[in-house]
Amino acid sequence: GAGVSQSPRYKVAKRGQDVALRCDPISGHVSLFWYQQALGQGPEFLTYFQNEAQLDKSGLPSDRFFAERPEGSVSTLKIQRTQQEDSAVYLCASSLQIYEQYFGPGTRLTVT
Amino acid sequence: AQSVAQPEDQVNVAEGNPLTVKCTYSVSGNPYLFWYVQYPNRGLQFLLKYITGDNLVKGSYGFEAEFNKSQTSFHLKKPSALVSDSALYFCAVRDAGTYKYIFGTGTRLKVLA
Repeated sequence: GAGVSQSPRYKVAKRGQDVALRCDPISGHVSLFWYQQALGQGPEFLTYFQNEAQLDKSGLPSDRFFAERPEGSVSTLKIQRTQQEDSAVYLCASSLQIYEQYFGPGTRLTVT
Repeated sequence: AQSVAQPEDQVNVAEGNPLTVKCTYSVSGNPYLFWYVQYPNRGLQFLLKYITGDNLVKGSYGFEAEFNKSQTSFHLKKPSALVSDSALYFCAVRDAGTYKYIFGTGTRLKVLA
């Protein structure tokens, strides 16, 4: 069956541009997570959705980061006025409950 | 605050030998513990979890892990390593009272033929 998909796979943005990263979770998965993974590091939690409700956004690094999941399926992570320190791989994961997560391939964002 | 430590950046083991990848954690409440594996050019894959119950949990590909509450550890083990086990392994913890997962920095396992 289809896994978690993310688009685009690669994104190059100039400093100051806004970007939108999309996540299509596995159909029927209630839980959705966003992570940021810097080179050589583990994934760092950004935010968690249960259906359309954003229950935890404590990991979003600044108010330039915004995530939504309006219909409880597809989610978008938006970064406004990108900075060089935003360069990372952004991972999306979904799960049926809240235990084992199924990860997408990630979007590699490079801010120049 | 929650934290996870994977003290070894890399572990080398000969094929056929037992392997251990170490993980220690810190949470304020009851821990939910996980291991994930990342193969080159592939996404993170779930291996196993400890939520409650038996301290020894078995997972995919012959891996197992032992939850040790007194030592706050959750080491990943396999009795006989395969070359195909070579990958990057991440330990993760979630405090039972939160939704936030904390991942370690990863341990690269290299199984030598």
